[in-house]
Formats: sequence, C-alpha cells, structure tokens
Amino acid sequence: NAGVTQTPKFQVLKTGQSMTLQCAQDMNHEYMSWYRQDPGMGLRLIHYSVGAGITDQGEVPNGYNVSRSTTEDFPLRLLSAAPSQTSVYFCASSYWRGDTDTQYFGPGTRLTVL
Amino acid sequence: AQTVTQSQPEMSVQEAETVTLSCTYDTSENNYYLFWYKQPPSRQMILVIRQEAYKQQNATENRFSVNFQKAAKSFSLKISDSQLGDTAMYFCAFMKQYPGGTSYGKLTFGQGTILTVHP
Repeated sequence: NAGVTQTPKFQVLKTGQSMTLQCAQDMNHEYMSWYRQDPGMGLRLIHYSVGAGITDQGEVPNGYNVSRSTTEDFPLRLLSAAPSQTSVYFCASSYWRGDTDTQYFGPGTRLTVL
Repeated sequence: AQTVTQSQPEMSVQEAETVTLSCTYDTSENNYYLFWYKQPPSRQMILVIRQEAYKQQNATENRFSVNFQKAAKSFSLKISDSQLGDTAMYFCAFMKQYPGGTSYGKLTFGQGTILTVHP
C-alpha cells in the first residue's frame, strides 16, 4: 500500500492564481481530512469528509473548497490564492475500528503564495 | 469547542536524560482521546502515544509515557533515555468521541514544542 499520497510536494503561486492540492489513499478509509500547519499555531483542520459525497467544514475553511467523489481521493482547491494561505498542508485518512480512529498522514505540501 | 495548549515552545535535553513535555486542554466533553505526535525535520507526522480518556491507567510505549490527569485536563509526555533521533517537533492533540464511539478523524492540535536532544 502507498498509504496517503499528496501532490505536489512544493508549489509557488502568485496571488489570485488557483490550484488543487491532490490527496489520495489506497487503504479504503472512510474518513479524510485536510490540515494546515503554520508556525506557532500547530495544525488546524480545514475540511473533512466522512465518506464519498459527504464533506464538512473544519476550523479554518475560508478560501478553500473540497469535494469527495470517490473513497480514494480528497482534493483541496484554492480558487484565488492569497499570501495568508502560505502554509504546509497535510492530508490525513482514518478508519473507525471500534475503539479509536487511527490517523494516517500524508507527507505534506509546502505552498508559498507570493 | 476544545483547545489544546503547549506552553513550552522549545525544550532541550542531554542524550540519555529524561525530559517532560507539557500539554493542557480545555473541553466540556467526557469522552475523548489524547495523542502525542512527533514531527521530525522530514515533516512526516508520526504517532507516538495515545490515551483514551476513560482509562485511568497512563499509556506507555517503550521510552515514552504519559501523565494523564483528567480532572486537571493535563496530558504530559515523558521521554526517558533521550536519543538523538528524538529531536523533533512534538504535538499534543485532542480527538472528541461522538456517540457511537467514532471521532470522524477530527483532531485539534496544540502549538507544538521543539525538542532538541544534545549529544
């Protein structure tokens, strides 16, 4: 299994550009989520999904869109990038096995918005 | 909503010694999980240890152990016999347990503590 994969690993955008951060998992996990990591603030939840076709907002959803058409994929879209979206983005997936969710994190994408 | 606070931005320890990282949290929930994650310079998030709130016994994983004080809402991580490979950012995280037991994969993280182990 490849686990949780994220592409690209690094990206530089100009203000106002759009892009999609890709996330895929091959473990048939029902739950997937996106976090952003900023210095001094830890990781904060952007959006999450509890299954194909079902998404909801996390703590910091503004400026980001998500959709989940398949169990495997959970892309994060920036429609009009802003410098405040400069961050490291992590995708995670998990499953419920009766006592706790076990989280699997991707390797992260470092995004710089100029 | 819940919050997680790590009040030590940076810590350092000599190799083979013991260090304790602090974490406090605020929640009105009674059912939840607590975690410590390690993030080395590679940026990969690695689960170190997990504690279920309903368990009174503190979790241990080899050189890593926690001191879970539910009434005080405190969850500290003790690393014994520190090794150079323990150098990393450490995050404390909270996961609410919903009816039925699942958490939907939603974590709330603290700000992180950078731990440096010196030879």
